Amino acid sequence: SQQGEEDPQALSIQEGENATMNCSYKTSINNLQWYRQNSGRGLVHLILIRSNEREKHSGRLRVTLDTSKKSSSLLITASRAADTASYFCATGGSTLGRLYFGRGTQLTVWP
Amino acid sequence: NAGVTQTPKFQVLKTGQSMTLQCAQDMNHNSMYWYRQDPGMGLRLIYYSASEGTTDKGEVPNGYNVSRLNKREFSLRLESAAPSQTSVYFCASSDGAGMNQPQHFGDGTRLSIL
Repeated sequence: SQQGEEDPQALSIQEGENATMNCSYKTSINNLQWYRQNSGRGLVHLILIRSNEREKHSGRLRVTLDTSKKSSSLLITASRAADTASYFCATGGSTLGRLYFGRGTQLTVWP
Repeated sequence: NAGVTQTPKFQVLKTGQSMTLQCAQDMNHNSMYWYRQDPGMGLRLIYYSASEGTTDKGEVPNGYNVSRLNKREFSLRLESAAPSQTSVYFCASSDGAGMNQPQHFGDGTRLSIL
């Protein structure tokens, strides 16, 4: 399957700490995207990293991509209670229009 | 700025009933998608439309039909609802092929089939 798999399934931290989530996938990709989903809401796009990029930053987010290991990580620095959400990685492959989503990491940030 | 709008937000059906989930986007996007989200399963693609006038099957198309009514609207129809179709359904759109562009999601339709 081309689907990404996030690890861990759940992560619980205190405000101010950093949160790291990992994503592994099985086939070659064109890009990898990270999304956030707040409870009861739709997914919101966070960041896209292309297969020829190794690292990308957006505000408090840092994403890395290692295509040799078929893995990516999402780092959220100085977490806030508002960061509490599920985080999904999605891989884009060779079929136009298809994104393959993982099962997500549930992040809880305690005040 | 509405983005992607889905209606209804909640629906309860009896087995065998039919219904259509509506989706509209106001971002002039070419591509639109329907996903279902089940606990522990992530999002699975049901159907997508790369451009107006075209539709293609995703991972789990059985029991569903779609219509790309125009560039803005993409509907999902359950002809004869089954309990296995109880899920949260998300519509999304993107400017061009999804593999290279971020997708924008609606807030979902929560569907229960009794």
